[in-house]
Amino acid sequence: KAGVTQTPRYLIKTRGQQVTLSCSPISGHRSVSWYQQTPGQGLQFLFEYFSETQRNKGNFPGRFSGRQFSNSRSEMNVSTLELGDSALYLCASSARQGMGNSPLHFGNGTRLTVT
Amino acid sequence: KNQVEQSPQSLIILEGKNCTLQCNYTVSPFSNLRWYKQDTGRGPVSLTIMTFSENTKSNGRYTATLDADTKQSSLHITASQLSDSASYICVVSATNAGNNRKLIWGLGTSLAVNP
Repeated sequence: KAGVTQTPRYLIKTRGQQVTLSCSPISGHRSVSWYQQTPGQGLQFLFEYFSETQRNKGNFPGRFSGRQFSNSRSEMNVSTLELGDSALYLCASSARQGMGNSPLHFGNGTRLTVT
Repeated sequence: KNQVEQSPQSLIILEGKNCTLQCNYTVSPFSNLRWYKQDTGRGPVSLTIMTFSENTKSNGRYTATLDADTKQSSLHITASQLSDSASYICVVSATNAGNNRKLIWGLGTSLAVNP
């Protein structure tokens, strides 16, 4: 069974630009969550999608948005990039909705650098 | 405030030696606690999950313990190998208002195993 796939692996953008990250979950998994990981803050929850609907949202500004498609693939968009958005963005899928009910299966992330 | 604190922040040991990583939490109401291993440049991978009624659980050379009274967990690694070099992250699941589960992540312990 293929794991969680995130594209691209690396991305360099300049301030003010926008970026879209993609995540393909494990086949059969309908829940997709997004996290931002930085050395000082650890993993910070962005949002969770299940059956194309956002079910939970973290404390991030509206510049961070996402969506999920009918095949469970998900995209995350960040607009008006700031230097502080530089981070590793991780996508995780699970078989069921509701974080904590089942293990999260993470992709290897997209490393975003904002200059 | 729900918090998860891990210690030490970083650790260096020699190959073949044992080590113990600590996770203290102030999370209520507690649902479960997971340990993840994150290799450099990769996403976290679940090692084990501990529920309220479990004291000890092993996964190969990894043994996790949970003391729900003192709200402490430990991850013991036996006969360390070079491949154990990674970040180990503790995450606690809490049930918040509305019966939604929320994950509270520790910052991780960075372990380096030297030959």
